[in-house]
Amino acid sequence: DAKTTQPPSMDCAEGRAANLPCNHSTISGNEYVYWYRQIHSQGPQYIIHGLKNNETNEMASLIITEDRKSSTLILPHATLRDTAVYYCIVRVNTDKLIFGTGTRLQVFP
Amino acid sequence: EAGVAQSPRYKIIEKRQSVAFWCNPISGHATLYWYQQILGQGPKLLIQFQNNGVVDDSQLPKDRFSAERLKGVDSTLKIQPAKLEDSAVYLCASSFGQRGDNIQYFGAGTRLSVL
Repeated sequence: DAKTTQPPSMDCAEGRAANLPCNHSTISGNEYVYWYRQIHSQGPQYIIHGLKNNETNEMASLIITEDRKSSTLILPHATLRDTAVYYCIVRVNTDKLIFGTGTRLQVFP
Repeated sequence: EAGVAQSPRYKIIEKRQSVAFWCNPISGHATLYWYQQILGQGPKLLIQFQNNGVVDDSQLPKDRFSAERLKGVDSTLKIQPAKLEDSAVYLCASSFGQRGDNIQYFGAGTRLSVL
């Protein structure tokens, strides 16, 4: 079973920041938080991952709370092409990915 | 850099027929994965290869599903005989397998419809 809880759906206006929450209250000290997304009719795409510190790359920012029990994926300027299902996954790096049902993000004009 | 290649993209068969899917991972990736994604659900791992050896096939229905990765590069997933509940998207992914981050890269998948 997935170790994370995500809202089933969210909306965001184009150009605004999309903030996708994830709860992982049972995360272990050696487990990373990974985010993938899946655009319609495509395979999942890696976005970002982190252990303790906040992370940023060209796609998004990942904010992890100090107790590591929750995190937020931030898409700073959402576009229509960011409409997708976003999966939050916690895992030790050598473990398999266990996907939940994710959050369906709809970006509207 | 070329991504993970899968073929065919779509396949329609009748129940009890057999079907095979092909995957070519990213060059240099030692680890290869096959996932099944049923409509409305997240992908579920079926089998994981490290080079040409099986690491995890605990979720593979071995009475009807089989997979191989000869020579540690390309892989084939077969279903024989197919059932209606096998209708799904079959995704292949690969990763370096040796690096600490172990990021998996996915192909576009094969959509199977069993009638």
